[in-house]
Amino acid sequence: DGGITQSPKYLFRKEGQNVTLSCEQNLNHDAMYWYRQDPGQGLRLIYYSQIVNDFQKGDIAEGYSVSREKKESFPLTVTSAQKNPTAFYLCASSTWGASGANVLTFGAGSRLTVL
Amino acid sequence: SQQGEEDPQALSIQEGENATMNCSYKTSINNLQWYRQNSGRGLVHLILIRSNEREKHSGRLRVTLDTSKKSSSLLITASRAADTASYFCATPQGGSEKLVFGKGTKLTVNP
Repeated sequence: DGGITQSPKYLFRKEGQNVTLSCEQNLNHDAMYWYRQDPGQGLRLIYYSQIVNDFQKGDIAEGYSVSREKKESFPLTVTSAQKNPTAFYLCASSTWGASGANVLTFGAGSRLTVL
Repeated sequence: SQQGEEDPQALSIQEGENATMNCSYKTSINNLQWYRQNSGRGLVHLILIRSNEREKHSGRLRVTLDTSKKSSSLLITASRAADTASYFCATPQGGSEKLVFGKGTKLTVNP
């Protein structure tokens, strides 16, 4: 089955540590995204990538970094510079501009808790 | 940069009743999408309506779009307990295809 796999599902981090969240898709989608969701809030865009080896900052990129070395993979690193990293992180992918609209397919999410 | 805002924030109904939730947005769009999120899970795309469409149906879902009022509504008919979830509208940001999500409507359907 095609889809998006995020791992780990739950992650605990001590203050000052960097952590990397994995996102892999086998949908052959060009574009990939990382969103952050806080309780009772909508999704906020962290980074997105339309093609391999290229990515752009979203609305809340500070304290985060990404790479896009392969079409299938878009890992997110939460660095120690992120002041409030405890949140639910969602990865998504889409075929950019297909059907004249951008419909996202989401992974199941990764919940990061800073101890 | 919040584009869409859902209303109400929370809605509680009985099974069999209809549920209506609304979304307002700020700038011109070429499409609007609705997504569903079960607690602690990822979002699932429900339906997309284009700016030249006024109404669209998919099973028990009915979506309307009023571009003059910059608003959309999602109607779920004959609701079931399994419809309990949060529902989000999403619109393209500016002239790009980046999607901006509202804060969602949390729907509870009581058996």
